[in-house]
Amino acid sequence: QQQVKQSPQSLIVQKGGIPIINCAYENTAFDYFPWYQQFPGKGPALLIAIRPDVSEKKEGRFTISFNKSAKQFSLHIMDSQPGDSATYFCAAERNTGNQFYFGTGTSLTVIP
Amino acid sequence: ETGVTQSPTHLIKTRGQQVTLRCSSQSGHNTVSWYQQALGQGPQFIFQYYREEENGRGNFPPRFSGLQFPNYSSELNVNALELDDSALYLCASSSRGLNTEAFFGQGTRLTVV
Repeated sequence: QQQVKQSPQSLIVQKGGIPIINCAYENTAFDYFPWYQQFPGKGPALLIAIRPDVSEKKEGRFTISFNKSAKQFSLHIMDSQPGDSATYFCAAERNTGNQFYFGTGTSLTVIP
Repeated sequence: ETGVTQSPTHLIKTRGQQVTLRCSSQSGHNTVSWYQQALGQGPQFIFQYYREEENGRGNFPPRFSGLQFPNYSSELNVNALELDDSALYLCASSSRGLNTEAFFGQGTRLTVV
């Protein structure tokens, strides 16, 4: 059973566009929601993370929106660049110290 | 670079064999987690080690086992390899505590034939 569901599977946007990746979860015990970026041949790298006591967090061009009642959260990438082309994973953790449940990933392509 | 190194980078094994993968954690980190990432999928949590003790395990059979050494480096051992064990194996190191950042290595690509 997939604890964290992620969509879409792939996404293509023009440079400057705002790709949005969505995730949903069922377990209300989750209390930490990171997003990871992974380039081919590399391990995932933390992009931004949020806790359920806030509804939005912004770091640079990356924003997480969090809807606790709907058990959904999403990643927005403002002014997307070709260098943002990568696979993005959402994840969730329930007070266990970095024992994550990952989504299935979204392959993002930003066209110049 | 994250400071987390994994070896080997690639490995080909035959079904039924045993394999050992290695991970050196980032300096100052005392916790290592292992994940299996099948092609086109998200990483799945295998287990975590803290101060040489297993500190949580995902839904993986006992033929997946691990060790953590006094310098906090770690090994993942897989016995009786199956074709479905073919995947990228990732380790992540972190400090003990909630919501501390986990740093991933580049992974070991295991192919079972």
